[in-house]
Amino acid sequence: GAVVSQHPSRVICKSGTSVKIECRSLDFQATTMFWYRQFPKQSLMLMATSNEGSKATYEQGVEKDKFLINHASLTLSTLTVTSAHPEDSSFYICSADSGGSGGNTIYFGEGSWLTVV
Amino acid sequence: AQSVTQLDSHVSVSEGTPVLLRCNYSSSYSPSLFWYVQHPNKGLQLLLKYTSAATLVKGINGFEAEFKKSETSFHLTKPSAHMSDAAEYFCVVSARKGGYNKLIFGAGTRLAVHP
Repeated sequence: GAVVSQHPSRVICKSGTSVKIECRSLDFQATTMFWYRQFPKQSLMLMATSNEGSKATYEQGVEKDKFLINHASLTLSTLTVTSAHPEDSSFYICSADSGGSGGNTIYFGEGSWLTVV
Repeated sequence: AQSVTQLDSHVSVSEGTPVLLRCNYSSSYSPSLFWYVQHPNKGLQLLLKYTSAATLVKGINGFEAEFKKSETSFHLTKPSAHMSDAAEYFCVVSARKGGYNKLIFGAGTRLAVHP
């Protein structure tokens, strides 16, 4: 079946530094990928929609200069948390739309734990 | 606008008893609906999806859900709970926006299974 891979699964960074998280669709091309943030024991909050070859579409309240998204190819999207602060610590999950008729099928990555110290 | 409401934040059942996780949706057109499961510290796994075909949808691990348009519901059921079913479950509706499909998540239901 379709697989979406995220890397790294866990990362610890110092406050003020930037960290990049990768999301790859391993066996299908994804023109659209999504980035979510999940706080402990809460639901997923859509941060932005990443479209290959164009600028990402950010949800209201999400700082585009803080969370840089690049969808460089049909199989790779990256999320860069710039000048990270402890409040950015969270679980970040990506998903990829495999397309297809009769409704979309969206596959999720395993998520990435970010801890900012 | 599309939205989903999961009626129970926590559900607790005994192993071997039925599971019912409730979900109501709101959609201005015929929706695509999904149930995802998330085990602790893990990503999401698709249990099943409804895309305007059969109203009773069978998924993995013995789960199924019935789309009821008159009740705007898409409840998830399983005849007999297993300890490994303990997880967070999300009801999700798909909204078409700007040429792509965006998933809108419910708040989640935490399922606890007791021996």
